[in-house]
Amino acid sequence: AQSVAQPEDQVNVAEGNPLTVKCTYSVSGNPYLFWYVQYPNRGLQFLLKYITGDNLVKGSYGFEAEFNKSQTSFHLKKPSALVSDSALYFCAVRDKKDSNYQLIWGAGTKLIIKP
Amino acid sequence: DTGVSQDPRHKITKRGQNVTFRCDPISEHNRLYWYRQTLGQGPEFLTYFQNEAQLEKSRLLSDRFSAERPKGSFSTLEIQRTEQGDSAMYLCASSLGWASGPQETQYFGPGTRLLVL
Repeated sequence: AQSVAQPEDQVNVAEGNPLTVKCTYSVSGNPYLFWYVQYPNRGLQFLLKYITGDNLVKGSYGFEAEFNKSQTSFHLKKPSALVSDSALYFCAVRDKKDSNYQLIWGAGTKLIIKP
Repeated sequence: DTGVSQDPRHKITKRGQNVTFRCDPISEHNRLYWYRQTLGQGPEFLTYFQNEAQLEKSRLLSDRFSAERPKGSFSTLEIQRTEQGDSAMYLCASSLGWASGPQETQYFGPGTRLLVL
């Protein structure tokens, strides 16, 4: 069965430091991988996705993510955190072989950036 | 604003009442999704439309839930005889999908927060 794990409920980072939000996945085939961000009382905003090709994907607001097939991971990163990056981050996966279009979601990681 | 819109943003109702939510997708998007999100969890898939056809429904979508997309544009999600367990954020997303595969990006609306008393 497909699944996504975000092993950290919360990540605390000082402003200006690099940040990493972890995501591991399990699919039977090859994955499409997505990161979304959710601000309080708001819907989800798309950050970036991995489809194929270069393992390092660049997205919105200076975020990037690295696809690692051997470790089945897709960690979200940013070189220098901003206080405004504080939000809830969700990783999602879809199996390329899947005939439906559901995204399977992680439980989310709360990112807190302290000034 | 040309993004996905949802109405209402908040709904408080009493147990046993019916509620209906509306989603207006991005205009050229042919696919529309409904999700439910409870506090501290990721979204859970409910149902999916391609144009006006409802192609998939989750087991989470009990008989009390029904969704329509009559003209392939806006969609409605109705919950009949609401229960306290229905309290959640209901999210709508749309995407522009083609036969090339499910790699398209889903764009989400702001959600409708339902509280059943």
